[in-house]
Amino acid sequence: DAKTTQPNSMESNEEEPVHLPCNHSTISGTDYIHWYRQLPSQGPEYVIHGLTSNVNNRMASLAIAEDRKSSTLILHRATLRDAAVYYCILRDNYGQNFVFGPGTRLSVLP
Amino acid sequence: GAGVSQTPSNKVTEKGKYVELRCDPISGHTALYWYRQSLGQGPEFLIYFQGTGAADDSGLPNDRFFAVRPEGSVSTLKIQRTERGDSAVYLCASSTNGGGGPYEQYFGPGTRLTVT
Repeated sequence: DAKTTQPNSMESNEEEPVHLPCNHSTISGTDYIHWYRQLPSQGPEYVIHGLTSNVNNRMASLAIAEDRKSSTLILHRATLRDAAVYYCILRDNYGQNFVFGPGTRLSVLP
Repeated sequence: GAGVSQTPSNKVTEKGKYVELRCDPISGHTALYWYRQSLGQGPEFLIYFQGTGAADDSGLPNDRFFAVRPEGSVSTLKIQRTERGDSAVYLCASSTNGGGGPYEQYFGPGTRLTVT
């Protein structure tokens, strides 16, 4: 699976939008882009995934660049509960396990 | 519905002892994964089961680590002759389908293992 690069940490104010970037310049045509987050003392939880088109769900939006070499996870209104480590991961149709990097630690300020 | 559960939540053991960590996946999930997470790092893959068989055990660090899933549901991760370096949070995840690509994994809360 191709590698991703994320900032180590980011800060946001409560109730403001947050844009978490992810670079994946070596992505292949069959790689899905997954985002998981890990709240303190919990296991990772699914946030969103996409292949080519932008995606929206109740938790977040995923904006995928046209060349697919980068993507952005968008939290529309950050809450204190959104403080977590966010992981951007690529996985193709043949890969089973996720290969986690260090992720981005998001702090949300009241 | 019930999510993935793991027991115990915490385990403290002495160096050299044997430990077993249990994972109860979501009912009906055929795929089961074990990961290990050290402090400040992302989870690291250990082993993947599809049904009863270990489809990929390439992440197991050495032969002290072994996992089983005899009936295709509950899985047990077994660590022999524990070492202080084995201290970590052990995470279990399950998925409806063993295929890669878009399929989501559901993680349990983990077992924190401390080897003294």
